[in-house]
Amino acid sequence: EIVLTQSPATLSLSPGERATLSCRASQSVNDYLAWYQKKPGQAPRLLIYDASNRATGIPTRFSGSGSGTDFSLTISSLEPEDFAVYYCQQRDNWPPIFTFGPGTRVEMK
Amino acid sequence: QVQLVESGGGVVQSGGSLRLSCVVSGLIFSRSGMNWVRQAPGKGLEWVTFIRDDGTDINYSDSVKGRFTVSRDNSKNTVYLQMNSLRPEDTAMYYCARDQNVNYFDYWGRGTLVTVSS
Repeated sequence: EIVLTQSPATLSLSPGERATLSCRASQSVNDYLAWYQKKPGQAPRLLIYDASNRATGIPTRFSGSGSGTDFSLTISSLEPEDFAVYYCQQRDNWPPIFTFGPGTRVEMK
Repeated sequence: QVQLVESGGGVVQSGGSLRLSCVVSGLIFSRSGMNWVRQAPGKGLEWVTFIRDDGTDINYSDSVKGRFTVSRDNSKNTVYLQMNSLRPEDTAMYYCARDQNVNYFDYWGRGTLVTVSS
């Protein structure tokens, strides 16, 4: 079973600053990695799929990179609405098993 | 537009049962793999179960295997989650989510809350 690790657990930043979030897999997931934003009381929102593709309607300040076991989500300039928890996710096996990382909280400094 | 609407949550005693439903509109349901994902209070996201578009392949997380059963009715655009032998640790918001190419979840419902009391 593939385990995802996210770092840091919490990121304290100010609006306008750059956020870089990391996700590491215990073994290669190729490029099948996705990122989600989760706010309290809301459904998760898909941001990035296949490691680097922005989902429909996602602002260009969100970008994803990486392959194999090491991935990053970058928010180039934080907007007030970006303060949330971010999760990475991968899929392996058939029938599939989906795994989420433990999350990174981006909080306002 | 695409809508996923969950229902069936509530408060149940430990050992009890609940059946969740998720009605989907705005996409071709019969060609969509469907999943249930949950989030316990103060915890992260946890995938629960997957059912293939035609229902021929199903999988469960180890934490619910043998207690939960997923099914779907493509004539009603609905996916179900039958939850038996519920435990306090099953307390969570339960979301249904469509998977795209069985790799990631592109559409989500707003969730239905399940509370299991001891």
